[in-house]
Amino acid sequence: EVQLVESGGDLLQPGGSLRLSCEASGFTFSIHAMSWVRQTPGKGLEWVSSTSDSGANTYYADSVKGRFTVSRDNSKNTLYLQMNSLRVEDTALYYCAKGKWLRDIEYWGQGTLVTVSS
Amino acid sequence: DVVMTQSPLSLPVTLGQPASISCRSSQSLVHSDGNTYLNWFQQRPGQSPRRLIYKVSNRDSGVPDRFSGSGSGTDFTLRISRVEAEDVGVYYCMQGAHWPLTFGGGTKVEI
Repeated sequence: EVQLVESGGDLLQPGGSLRLSCEASGFTFSIHAMSWVRQTPGKGLEWVSSTSDSGANTYYADSVKGRFTVSRDNSKNTLYLQMNSLRVEDTALYYCAKGKWLRDIEYWGQGTLVTVSS
Repeated sequence: DVVMTQSPLSLPVTLGQPASISCRSSQSLVHSDGNTYLNWFQQRPGQSPRRLIYKVSNRDSGVPDRFSGSGSGTDFTLRISRVEAEDVGVYYCMQGAHWPLTFGGGTKVEI
């Protein structure tokens, strides 16, 4: 059974940094693209970032480019999202997601909440 | 960016009756590899989204056959042949043909 368990969400002030983690199990992590998607009540679902199976190729939404960095450790079956220069509008529930191929979203984790507020 | 427009925003349904949701994209979702990358997701209250349909019309494992997807190019439809109580939630379409990946605004299905 595919399991994706996010962690690292927190309450922090604008300008702060945070690293989210996603531990994967139940599938061969190293051969699947992975993504981060966030959800807010007002803006619905918003794709944030994706990485290819090896991590060699990464992709970002314009809203986070230059501030967020996606990475993965295939030896630990873990996906990361380093979030810097956080803004109030980054407040959301962040989901880790597995794809069958690049540009695909198949399975979702349960999400981790990031709140940016002064 | 490809804009995904869903309608209706809210869909009152009757148990046992059919229902359908429309999703339109601002650009063709046919990729250069020949596939059309359009997914449908269901999000029940308090739960994470769950994929129902991928590449327009392919049902994911475990998805009841009352759910079906159709369409081509820029115009797509999710149909529920006979609505059951467990189908209540918000449904989203998502395109995976172009970066950035984009989602529709969601359709709330309520009894």
